[in-house]
Amino acid sequence: TQLLEQSPQFLSIQEGENLTVYCNSSSVFSSLQWYRQEPGEGPVLLVTVVTGGEVKKLKRLTFQFGDARKDSSLHITAAQPGDTGLYLCAGVPLQDSNDYKLSFGAGTTVTVRA
Amino acid sequence: KAGVTQTPRYLIKTRGQQVTLSCSPISGHRSVSWYQQTPGQGLQFLFEYFSETQRNKGNFPGRFSGRQFSNSRSEMNVSTLELGDSALYLCASSPTGRLNTEAFFGQGTRLTVV
Repeated sequence: TQLLEQSPQFLSIQEGENLTVYCNSSSVFSSLQWYRQEPGEGPVLLVTVVTGGEVKKLKRLTFQFGDARKDSSLHITAAQPGDTGLYLCAGVPLQDSNDYKLSFGAGTTVTVRA
Repeated sequence: KAGVTQTPRYLIKTRGQQVTLSCSPISGHRSVSWYQQTPGQGLQFLFEYFSETQRNKGNFPGRFSGRQFSNSRSEMNVSTLELGDSALYLCASSPTGRLNTEAFFGQGTRLTVV
């Protein structure tokens, strides 16, 4: 069982549409990170959310951290083909905050068709 | 500033052989983490090193080992290779490895065991 559950697993949309990816857990996290990974490359950090209820915007990407710090979402407005990739959420549970290891969700593969 | 460098990029080995993968972190970063990425299991934490000390280890058999040198470069070794060890091995570096700090990933080493 994954510590972080991501949904959906796959998402295929047309250019210009909006999409939302979810990351949920039964554990409380001190922070959650979102990464994007393109084929043949390593993951690239997009954002870190730290405070419960926090909303961060990165151009057309909006990240939200749940009030209870157990979940997060990534919303992309007017998706473009360049947004195609594997989106991963990751974090360290608060109970394991002395551990230096990130747990990753299984990822959401996003395909934006031109 | 140079990114995280992993060598080699691709590797094909036979069952029973052993393999050593190398990771050069970003200059000044003292924490290096290793992950295994497979389609079925996603990104799984292997171990993390800081100043030549292993601080945390994931749930992998003893065939997987690693080390870090005084210049922060790290190697991981897999002995007695099995078909299931075929995966993308990713290395990530960060200044301290502490919570909420950004981790930078290399492009990975694609290991195929035949």
